[in-house]
Amino acid sequence: EAQVTQNPRYLITVTGKKLTVTCSQNMNHEYMSWYRQDPGLGLRQIYYSMNVEVTDKGDVPEGYKVSRKEKRNFPLILESPSPNQTSLYFCASSSGQGREKLFFGSGTQLSVL
Amino acid sequence: AQSVTQPDIHITVSEGASLELRCNYSYGATPYLFWYVQSPGQGLQLLLKYFSGDTLVQGIKGFEAEFKRSQSSFNLRKPSVHWSDAAEYFCAVGALDYGQNFVFGPGTRLSVLP
Repeated sequence: EAQVTQNPRYLITVTGKKLTVTCSQNMNHEYMSWYRQDPGLGLRQIYYSMNVEVTDKGDVPEGYKVSRKEKRNFPLILESPSPNQTSLYFCASSSGQGREKLFFGSGTQLSVL
Repeated sequence: AQSVTQPDIHITVSEGASLELRCNYSYGATPYLFWYVQSPGQGLQLLLKYFSGDTLVQGIKGFEAEFKRSQSSFNLRKPSVHWSDAAEYFCAVGALDYGQNFVFGPGTRLSVLP
């Protein structure tokens, strides 16, 4: 089954404690992206990747890191989380440029205390 | 860079009534346009998309959308709403440019009254 898998689904952490949210897709997609969803703001792009070893900033990259060492994986790293990073995070992938639909993971609800 | 606005934050309709959700975009060329739906606690699911050709596109769950270039709009419609349609709806623009491929609107939350 074609899918994007994110883990964990829920995460509660404390300020400053490094964390990683994993994302994996099984569709051989070149494009992957991370979004955060906040009430009233919709989805805002954090980082995206057009292919292996190619990543770029989205709208709200501050405080986040990503890597794309393999085509299927695109982890999101918070080196020193802060409370303003409390949000719902989605990973997504696509087979091509902007004409192809995005496949979304189920989301990760992060709370930073 | 492209941008998307959805003027209505929250809409409430009665079950069986018709629905129209508004979406306006800004993009220099003909965009790729999408509507996604997010049910509570779920990820986003594609409802429909427009690339070119017929400006009225049909999607899943009985939804349709019409692309109007002159108004830079891509409004979503459904003739008769079901209680299960209660969700958040996002309009999105995709682009050919190498770069930020997808931009989402802020979303419209739909509530359905019995």
